[in-house]
Amino acid sequence: GQNIDQPTEMTATEGAIVQINCTYQTSGFNGLFWYQQHAGEAPTFLSYNVLDGLEEKGRFSSFLSRSKGYSYLLLKELQMKDSASYLCAVIDSNYQLIWGAGTKLIIKP
Amino acid sequence: GAVVSQHPSRVICKSGTSVKIECRSLDFQATTMFWYRQFPKKSLMLMATSNEGSKATYEQGVEKDKFLINHASLTLSTLTVTSAHPEDSSFYICSAERTSGYNEQFFGPGTRLTVL
Repeated sequence: GQNIDQPTEMTATEGAIVQINCTYQTSGFNGLFWYQQHAGEAPTFLSYNVLDGLEEKGRFSSFLSRSKGYSYLLLKELQMKDSASYLCAVIDSNYQLIWGAGTKLIIKP
Repeated sequence: GAVVSQHPSRVICKSGTSVKIECRSLDFQATTMFWYRQFPKKSLMLMATSNEGSKATYEQGVEKDKFLINHASLTLSTLTVTSAHPEDSSFYICSAERTSGYNEQFFGPGTRLTVL
């Protein structure tokens, strides 16, 4: 079966750095997305990785290792507004988007 | 670019009535749109994949006669919840796929359905 694993919940301090991990077992791989979702709102796109390595975009970076079936989202200089759920999603060989359950990130002052 | 709108944003209805939700891609054409449902504190659950000009593909466990999907044009898909019941109360989100080298989905703002 297809499976995406993320921690259910994480807590971090304002101004700090947090890394949210995602491991996947899917039938094929055609890319991995990270989305941010605030409570009561729709997800918004953060990043896309299809090749191994680190993609940096401002305070957010996303890393991919295809051989390990592993990705992480790195958030730097955390702000209170970063409190949200972070969803990992993988495109499989049929170009279906497989969603993780999401990681709820709680930022404390 | 890549804006998706959804209407209505919030609806409250009586049990037994039908509710139609519209999803529009405003500045791009979307051959494929997706309908999701999300219960509180739960992840997105894909209900169906909507392809323009053809019948929608429903996920296992989703009743196609209860959740009617129509994708009449490249910019509009509708979801009709027929004979709604309180257990259908949820957050319904659509997304539209823009073919741009990778299958990125752009999400609408969601519709909060409450069935009394």
